[in-house]
Amino acid sequence: QSALTQPASVSGSPGQSIAISCTGTSSDVGGYNYVSWYQQHPGTAPKLVIYDVTDRPSGVSSRFSGSKSGNTASLTISGLLAEDEAVYYCSSYTSTNTMVFGGGTKLTVL
Amino acid sequence: QVRLQQSGPGLVKSSQTLSLTCAVSGESVSTNPSAWNWIRQSPSRGLEWLGRTYYRSKWYNDYAISVKSRITINPDTSKNQFSLILNSVTAADTAVYYCTKSGGAYSHFDYWGQGTLVTVSS
Repeated sequence: QSALTQPASVSGSPGQSIAISCTGTSSDVGGYNYVSWYQQHPGTAPKLVIYDVTDRPSGVSSRFSGSKSGNTASLTISGLLAEDEAVYYCSSYTSTNTMVFGGGTKLTVL
Repeated sequence: QVRLQQSGPGLVKSSQTLSLTCAVSGESVSTNPSAWNWIRQSPSRGLEWLGRTYYRSKWYNDYAISVKSRITINPDTSKNQFSLILNSVTAADTAVYYCTKSGGAYSHFDYWGQGTLVTVSS
């Protein structure tokens, strides 16, 4: 199972909105509504910020939102804060009953 | 609140067996529909899902194709924990290993262990 494709890096200024894409195939992202997103700060474990494409866990800011179109899912962060600077990973369930991750996107808040 | 506490050696010799344990508190490992996973992270391979175990009237396992011939994930209901065994390790298996809980077999990873750096030495 190939990794999902994410841009290596994105950047934005405080207060702006950014979007991170996650492209797969009809056998993973496009075939199921089981896409999730994780935020990872250096030296810590990833933290779930979006699940089932659009749902937000309790305690996660409403500035985080998710969507999907075809084989591409997206994570949008609005009203960027300095604390949002981190690496973001997407993940999806696959047709072989396994899970796959994206390569990660480094978000820099300018 | 679920808590996952990992334990195991941080150094394994090449060709030997890597063994890690994840102790669970706050939920039974037999809970349906939860699943219990191992994931690893390295600079070269990024985040890589290795496999999971879950109980649905009986125990099931799913494994990533990349490690399927070398991996075993076992639940231990008496201690409410689960373990990872990876045989015949090489330098490519050097990584931070995480145990995680997911809300279902198809599902996202909502709780993570603290991570264990395992280095494979020659």
